[in-house]
Amino acid sequence: NAGVTQTPKFQVLKTGQSMTLQCAQDMNHEYMSWYRQDPGMGLRLIHYSVGAGITDQGEVPNGYNVSRSTTEDFPLRLLSAAPSQTSVYFCASSPNRPSGWQPQHFGDGTRLSIL
Amino acid sequence: EDKVVQSPLSLVVHEGDTVTLNCSYEVTNFRSLLWYKQEKKAPTFLFMLTSSGIEKKSGRLSSILDKKELFSILNITATQTGDSAVYLCAVQGAQKLVFGQGTRLTINP
Repeated sequence: NAGVTQTPKFQVLKTGQSMTLQCAQDMNHEYMSWYRQDPGMGLRLIHYSVGAGITDQGEVPNGYNVSRSTTEDFPLRLLSAAPSQTSVYFCASSPNRPSGWQPQHFGDGTRLSIL
Repeated sequence: EDKVVQSPLSLVVHEGDTVTLNCSYEVTNFRSLLWYKQEKKAPTFLFMLTSSGIEKKSGRLSSILDKKELFSILNITATQTGDSAVYLCAVQGAQKLVFGQGTRLTINP
């Protein structure tokens, strides 16, 4: 059982380039989310999805797109990378049960540097 | 705007000391409060609290929630160097998990 898998682990981009961060989970979780973590700022929510075909914005969505065509995958796209997007990105998932929320499982993160 | 505030932001103690980490929140449609430990990589889950006044305990770690005063504390007794980490508090609202800034705890031998 792999849990939440993020690829790549590290990436360096030039300003203006685009790329997709991949996130896959094998736990059949309905809820998936993307966070960025900057020094001294905890984790901030970028986008989230409560199920296939449904996505919504979090706290810091500008410059990022997401889609959820399957339950397993939740890719995050940077449309035109900017130095301000240099950060560590975490993907997380949890079951979405009517009885209440369950703790999220996190991937190991992608460290992204924009030059 | 939903907000989670942790204090202190940084704490350095000696091995064997007891520490208390604080988390206050203002989140609409509160569902639960969670504590995570983050070492080098992904945050790992410690506790989830949904009811006031009920202590959750795991070994030397314990946590309690006060839904009237909107805060939680995380206690670590007899600290060890392996407890050195960033401790994150997060509050689950209707659809979103809101994180605090984290407390960086350093345990010196």
